[in-house]
Amino acid sequence: DGGITQSPKYLFRKEGQNVTLSCEQNLNHDAMYWYRQDPGQGLRLIYYSQIVNDFQKGDIAEGYSVSREKKESFPLTVTSAQKNPTAFYLCASSMAGTDVYEQYFGPGTRLTVT
Amino acid sequence: RKEVEQDPGPFNVPEGATVAFNCTYSNSASQSFFWYRQDCRKEPKLLMSVYSSGNEDGRFTAQLNRASQYISLLIRDSKLSDSATYLCVVNRGNDMRFGAGTRLTVKP
Repeated sequence: DGGITQSPKYLFRKEGQNVTLSCEQNLNHDAMYWYRQDPGQGLRLIYYSQIVNDFQKGDIAEGYSVSREKKESFPLTVTSAQKNPTAFYLCASSMAGTDVYEQYFGPGTRLTVT
Repeated sequence: RKEVEQDPGPFNVPEGATVAFNCTYSNSASQSFFWYRQDCRKEPKLLMSVYSSGNEDGRFTAQLNRASQYISLLIRDSKLSDSATYLCVVNRGNDMRFGAGTRLTVKP
């Protein structure tokens, strides 16, 4: 089955620790994205990548880092510099190009930092 | 002003009712428009794209008014399973903007 997987579903960390969220897709999509969702708010873009070995900051990149070494994988690291890391993190992918394509989402990771 | 604005609701309607959601966007360069559905604590899922001529998918009808920068979603004959949050999404290339969503509860 084609799709996007994120792991783990729930993640608990202590303040001051870095944590890496996994995102894998087998849809052969070029573009991948990371969003965070807070209660009552829309999704906010953290980082996106349109091609392997290249990525761009989104609206709220501070305190986060990403890598795109393989087309299928786009891991997100939440660093200790992120002031409010507790949130629902969603990874998405889409076909890339000059036309506009819809995005497909993974099931998300709920991160709680105490 | 937010780039994509939606009435947060909640909309509480009886089964069988018709309900309409509205969405406005501020960037006139926006190219594509979508409605996503998000169930509680789940990921958003594409419901339908929105075309300039308007489009229908079963009980769902989407309309776009570029001049007024306005998108709508109409749900006819509401089912209990339609209860969810509906997200309006506006896209310019790879820059996708999400509304905060409108919550719908359909009651027996």
